[in-house]
Amino acid sequence: NAGVTQTPKFQVLKTGQSMTLQCAQDMNHEYMSWYRQDPGMGLRLIHYSVGAGITDQGEVPNGYNVSRSTTEDFPLRLLSAAPSQTSVYFCASSPLAGWTGELFFGEGSRLTVL
Amino acid sequence: EDQVTQSPEALRLQEGESSSLNCSYTVSGLRGLFWYRQDPGKGPEFLFTLYSAGEEKEKERLKATLTKKESFLHITAPKPEDSATYLCAVHLSGGYQKVTFGTGTKLQVIP
Repeated sequence: NAGVTQTPKFQVLKTGQSMTLQCAQDMNHEYMSWYRQDPGMGLRLIHYSVGAGITDQGEVPNGYNVSRSTTEDFPLRLLSAAPSQTSVYFCASSPLAGWTGELFFGEGSRLTVL
Repeated sequence: EDQVTQSPEALRLQEGESSSLNCSYTVSGLRGLFWYRQDPGKGPEFLFTLYSAGEEKEKERLKATLTKKESFLHITAPKPEDSATYLCAVHLSGGYQKVTFGTGTKLQVIP
């Protein structure tokens, strides 16, 4: 039972490089989202999607792009990485209908930008 | 501005020593309050949802309560395996699954 799978678990980038964090879920959830977690800041929402072809911005969207071509996948793209994007990134999913408050999180991707 | 504040930032307990974690919130349009547990190097794991003042939920040694301005997570006779960071989050009206998280309380239970 895979749940939410994130890759890679660790990544080191140089300033200006681009990369994509992958997120896949096998629970047929309509809602998927990306959070970043920084010390003393809590989890902050970057982007979210409520279905294939539908995405929207969260609290801290600048510097990140997303797309949702399938129900299962929701990649997060950093087009030109900056040191301020050093963080731990979490993907989370949930059903839309009858939501009881449970977000299903992946295990996280730790990104360091030098 | 919607705010969620958790206290204390860190808490160290002896095994069996009961205590409470606090989550105070200043939000408009609260639709629900959630508690999550996060182990080091892992994603948060859902514990409870509370919808209205006076509501209580229990799971093993954990009990969550809700008032109009705050929530408490009571830990009764904790064990070392209860050591984790506990996150409070609020579900706000006006958006899909729009959730604001607090910064968490790091709990350490000493054998």
